Amino acid sequence: EVQLVESGGGLVRPGGSLRLSCAASGFTFSGYSMNWVRQAPGKGLEWLSYISISSTSIYYADSVKGRFTISRDNVKNSLYLQMNSLRDEDTAMYYCATNPTLAVVAWGQGTLVTVSS
Amino acid sequence: HSALTQPASVSGSPGQSITISCSGTSTDVGNYNLVSWYQQHPGKAPKHMIYEGTKRPSGVSNRFSGSKSGNTASLTISGLQPEDEADYYCCSYAGSNTWVFGGGTKVTVL
Repeated sequence: EVQLVESGGGLVRPGGSLRLSCAASGFTFSGYSMNWVRQAPGKGLEWLSYISISSTSIYYADSVKGRFTISRDNVKNSLYLQMNSLRDEDTAMYYCATNPTLAVVAWGQGTLVTVSS
Repeated sequence: HSALTQPASVSGSPGQSITISCSGTSTDVGNYNLVSWYQQHPGKAPKHMIYEGTKRPSGVSNRFSGSKSGNTASLTISGLQPEDEADYYCCSYAGSNTWVFGGGTKVTVL
């Protein structure tokens, strides 16, 4: 069974940092590029970042560029998102996912990040 | 890329058909046949309903169909059922390994 499990969310103060993880199983993780997508409370989905299979290509949405860093470890079948300089507006459920417009798309259940003083 | 434009809400009675529009630009929806639609029930992760504009993943009811004309994609739900009440999001590839989502449409079954 294809499974993506996010972890690492929690409560953090504005300006703080957090590292999210996404553990993949049930498929050949090293054969898929990966993404992070978030959803603020009561709001829509927002694509955040992409990383290619070998980590050679990385892209970010303007809203997180320079603050967030995506990475992966194909040996550990894991995807990461390092989030620095967090703001109130970064409060959201964070999902890891394969490319959102593929024929078969895998999504995790999400991990909640709350930025508040 | 700005978010794709969807109506905030659409409603219909059981058995009816409804259509949700998703308006983009010539740099996203209009430029690629890579539009997906997602269904999201409260507190749940998005579920993939349509890919490449018109195709259904395995297991998705044939009551769900997609289309595209120019810069606008559409999702039609026929034979509306109570369990179809959810939020629906379109998503388009926008080039250079970036994606853009729509703002979401709340579907209400009257």
